[in-house]
Amino acid sequence: EVQLVESGGGLVNPGGSLRLSCEASGFTFSDYNMNWVRQSPGKGLEWVSSISDSGSYIYHADSVKGRFIISRDNAKNSLYLEMTSLRGEDTGVYFCARDKVHDYWGQGTLVTVSS
Amino acid sequence: QLVVTQSPSASASLGASVKLACILSTGHSSYAIAWHQQRPEKGPRYLMKLNSDGSHTKGDGIPDRFSGSSSGAERYLTISSLQSEDEADYYCQTWGTGLWVFGGGTKLTVL
Repeated sequence: EVQLVESGGGLVNPGGSLRLSCEASGFTFSDYNMNWVRQSPGKGLEWVSSISDSGSYIYHADSVKGRFIISRDNAKNSLYLEMTSLRGEDTGVYFCARDKVHDYWGQGTLVTVSS
Repeated sequence: QLVVTQSPSASASLGASVKLACILSTGHSSYAIAWHQQRPEKGPRYLMKLNSDGSHTKGDGIPDRFSGSSSGAERYLTISSLQSEDEADYYCQTWGTGLWVFGGGTKLTVL
C-alpha cells in the first residue's frame, strides 16, 4: 500500500524557517518524481515544488522561488521542503504527492506563519 | 500561459449524473489533465488522468461511476448515480515543462 506521511509543520514567525518532510512507503521511491502542493485556509490547491526521481531536476512556483528548496534522499525514501523567509501567505496545509499526475497524496501538515 | 479554468460550483440530485468541465488555455488543447477529489476536511484523492483523445486511466479503487471525456480544449469529469459521499471539491490539474497548474476547483453539492 502506497503511503505518504508529512511532518514538520507548525507555528513560525514571519521571516522564520521550517523544514517539512514526507516519508514514503509501499513503492520504489527512487522511481518517481515527487511534489509539494499547498492549500491556504478555505482556498484551492496550489503547486509549490517538484523534483525528478534522481533529484537532478527541481522546479519551484514563482511564489516560492528563492525562498523554498525541494530535495530528496532516496536512501531514506524521504522528500523534503526547506522553507525560509516565511510570509503570512505561506500559511496553509502542505501535501506531498507522487508522480507528475499526483496519483497518491499524503494527509498534509499544517504550517502557520504568524507573530 | 498555461491555465485551467473550472466553474466554482455545481449541483445535482442524488442518483443523477453530473458533468464537470475543465478548460485548457489557448494553445494547450492537446494537454492531458488529472482530476482530483477533495472531500471536506480531507486530503485530495487522485481520480484519473485524462488525455486529449478522451482516454483515461483511473486511480486505484475509483468506481466505474467516474468517467472522463475530452472535446477540444475541454476536459470533463462525469459522475453517474450520484451518492452523498460524492459531495466534494473537484480539481483539475495539468502540467508543462517544469510547471504544474491547478484549476480553482468546482464545489459539487449533492441535493
